[in-house]
Amino acid sequence: GESVGLHLPTLSVQEGDNSIINCAYSNSASDYFIWYKQESGKGPQFIIDIRSNMDKRQGQRVTVLLNKTVKHLSLQIAATQPGDSAVYFCAEKGGSQGNLIFGKGTKLSVKP
Amino acid sequence: EPEVTQTPSHQVTQMGQEVILRCVPISNHLYFYWYRQILGQKVEFLVSFYNNEISEKSEIFDDQFSVERPDGSNFTLKIRSTKLEDSAMYFCASILASGYWTYEQYFGPGTRLTVT
Repeated sequence: GESVGLHLPTLSVQEGDNSIINCAYSNSASDYFIWYKQESGKGPQFIIDIRSNMDKRQGQRVTVLLNKTVKHLSLQIAATQPGDSAVYFCAEKGGSQGNLIFGKGTKLSVKP
Repeated sequence: EPEVTQTPSHQVTQMGQEVILRCVPISNHLYFYWYRQILGQKVEFLVSFYNNEISEKSEIFDDQFSVERPDGSNFTLKIRSTKLEDSAMYFCASILASGYWTYEQYFGPGTRLTVT
């Protein structure tokens, strides 16, 4: 089975609201996680990452939370904007050379 | 801002033909990757390349696939005899170094391969 997956395939939010995108992983030994955003027809774009020795990490309007007890990762986007509409992937480091194992993706739609 | 570039943006080929997908990673990066994404599905790792050799590869990366960095600038993925199921977006990615705090990979815009 896959190591990283997502709970919800789609998420629709109102502009200005906060968004929470969830991700479950199965490998308890995973030590690094990353979120990417993918807009239609483009390559994945880095959002934020976190190592397993942290519970939380904040960026600009984004926060990643890591719960190692239940092997759960989430991405919070504050004050969601139309430009945030995209597919969001979580991924974990898969090997010693840094290759990434991606989850299936959640499509975020922002309603104006 | 430096970026990864890929050519062509779209490649159409007939089943059984060879294709070469090209990438120019960010110039000072040392680790290079190919991923693919079948339409509507997740991004899948194919291969990583460091110091002019393959460092890791997935089960997808069978004998039909090969990679090369012929001139210190380009990074290519060759599929020797394409199959219908090779139709996908192929992404190249690069990273300055591996083993430090971050494994943030910079992705190119992708090449859409259509096998008919």
